[in-house]
Amino acid sequence: GESVGLHLPTLSVQEGDNSIINCAYSNSASDYFIWYKQESGKGPQFIIDIRSNMDKRQGQRVTVLLNKTVKHLSLQIAATQPGDSAVYFCAENMGDLSEKLVFGKGTKLTVNP
Amino acid sequence: GAVVSQHPSRVICKSGTSVKIECRSLDFQATTMFWYRQFPKKSLMLMATSNEGSKATYEQGVEKDKFLINHASLTLSTLTVTSAHPEDSSFYICSAPRPRGISNYGYTFGSGTRLTVV
Repeated sequence: GESVGLHLPTLSVQEGDNSIINCAYSNSASDYFIWYKQESGKGPQFIIDIRSNMDKRQGQRVTVLLNKTVKHLSLQIAATQPGDSAVYFCAENMGDLSEKLVFGKGTKLTVNP
Repeated sequence: GAVVSQHPSRVICKSGTSVKIECRSLDFQATTMFWYRQFPKKSLMLMATSNEGSKATYEQGVEKDKFLINHASLTLSTLTVTSAHPEDSSFYICSAPRPRGISNYGYTFGSGTRLTVV
């Protein structure tokens, strides 16, 4: 993941619009990626995951895209709702036996009614 | 399934005292757990990997004498912040890999502990 010392980037969208949140990961050997949603004062909440042998995976209202060539991950949220307002983190499993999960810097999504 | 319970959710302590945070896997055995620290408006930073029955593995820059980790059983890992100082105030979160075979293989997280050192 990216440096944890940077302030969170922000994304503001209108209710009903689609949101795209991007993430650059650091380790080309990482083989498993997860998107999490975190609300204030709570632990991360699983949204969707993807393995490195895939480039796209769809869930309910969410899609994750993986571009291994440029080490880029994106989360697309369709018809964004006010309840989607939160901080979103991508996380990568480092691809070794340790199973360590390293988080990216996160993006704060604000959905305007 | 695969629930992790973290306790306490909030704690306020005086400078110089020690605080213990517990992370329990409720319905599965966790040979490995991870401890994260999160500052306000920042990402989760991996502090250490807790290994059942052996020493924890600390990330670079994390003081192992400051943050004592014990993983004495397959369902419990503890993080003790020793001689706490105000700069140790943070949100601490534990995590465990979900057992293979459970849907949504990934990681399960505790609800976090807000530590405030005064």
